[in-house]
Amino acid sequence: DVKVTQSSRYLVKRTGEKVFLECVQDMDHENMFWYRQDPGLGLRLIYFSYDVKMKEKGDIPEGYSVSREKKERFSLILESASTNQTSMYLCASTYSNQPQHFGDGTRLSIL
Amino acid sequence: GNSVTQMEGPVTLSEEAFLTINCTYTATGYPSLFWYVQYPGEGLQLLLKATKADDKGSNKGFEATYRKETTSFHLEKGSVQVSDSAVYFCALTESTNAGKSTFGDGTTLTVKP
Repeated sequence: DVKVTQSSRYLVKRTGEKVFLECVQDMDHENMFWYRQDPGLGLRLIYFSYDVKMKEKGDIPEGYSVSREKKERFSLILESASTNQTSMYLCASTYSNQPQHFGDGTRLSIL
Repeated sequence: GNSVTQMEGPVTLSEEAFLTINCTYTATGYPSLFWYVQYPGEGLQLLLKATKADDKGSNKGFEATYRKETTSFHLEKGSVQVSDSAVYFCALTESTNAGKSTFGDGTTLTVKP
């Protein structure tokens, strides 16, 4: 069965820290995505990647960066965490125009 | 650009009631259409899909028909259960767009016994 695994379900970090969120998929998908989900704002795309070492900005890339060194792994980096980055973060993967497969999410709190 | 507009929630129904969640879309090409469901504390999971006009997607008693003439993909279920309580997202994907999807804002459904 298809699996997208996010490294942490819950994470608490301090303001100014560098934060890494990891996502691994086992389906050999080309395309991977990072979203944040906030009440009343739906899903917002932060970054996506359509191949190893390739990345594109989504709708809200400010304050974030990403890394895709291997096809199965897509990392989201908060360069200097701030309280307004407290959110639920969802990773997804797909190929072509097929449905996206989502991880269970990481609930990140920045104190 | 592409957009998806969903019926605003929250929606509260009694068990065994009929459910409709409206979804309309705007797209430049010929998108595939999806409904995803998100249960509390989990990520989104695919509920059903349709890839071309007049296709009907169905799963777990839910159905939606791809209507190109009205650019709609409304979700329906004849008799909801308490276990259907979740957030439902309508989405579209175009094949020329690296698998990027456009999502609606989500509709929260609560089913009461």
